[in-house]
Amino acid sequence: DGGITQSPKYLFRKEGQNVTLSCEQNLNHDAMYWYRQDPGQGLRLIYYSQIVNDFQKGDIAEGYSVSREKKESFPLTVTSAQKNPTAFYLCASSRTGTGSEKLFFGSGTQLSVL
Amino acid sequence: AQSVTQPDIHITVSEGASLELRCNYSYGATPYLFWYVQSPGQGLQLLLKYFSGDTLVQGIKGFEAEFKRSQSSFNLRKPSVHWSDAAEYFCAVGARTNAGKSTFGDGTTLTVKP
Repeated sequence: DGGITQSPKYLFRKEGQNVTLSCEQNLNHDAMYWYRQDPGQGLRLIYYSQIVNDFQKGDIAEGYSVSREKKESFPLTVTSAQKNPTAFYLCASSRTGTGSEKLFFGSGTQLSVL
Repeated sequence: AQSVTQPDIHITVSEGASLELRCNYSYGATPYLFWYVQSPGQGLQLLLKYFSGDTLVQGIKGFEAEFKRSQSSFNLRKPSVHWSDAAEYFCAVGARTNAGKSTFGDGTTLTVKP
């Protein structure tokens, strides 16, 4: 079955530590996205990539980094500079990056701080 | 700038009753509008979308939504709610140039009473 796989489901970060969230898709989609979801709030865009080897900052990119070396993979690193990283992180993809495209979502990673 | 408001944080309906979830948007032109559903600890799934044409759109799971330009609204409806419809519902307005830069509302949590 085609879809988006996020791992791990749960992740714990210690102070000063960088952690990386995995996102893999086998939908052959060009565009991929990372969102942060906090309780009672909508999704906020962290980073997006519309093509391999290119990515752009979203609304809340500070303290995060990404790479897009392969079409199917878009890992997100939460760095120690992100002072409030506890949240639910969602990866999504779309066939192309245009506004009419439907977003396909992974099942998310819950990140907590120890 | 685009924005989305979902006025109801939490709605409770009895199983078999009708449902209407409200969504108001702000956008400078004809918007792309979406409704997504999220089960606890999961990603989002598209219910339906509106780009142009017929203002009443049908989606999956028996949902429909009506676009009303004069009211800047895109309310989601279902004639008869099932217990499995309990979830969080997000309305989103899409940026024409970038699928991932959709603006999401804060969500409405639906509880279904037996």
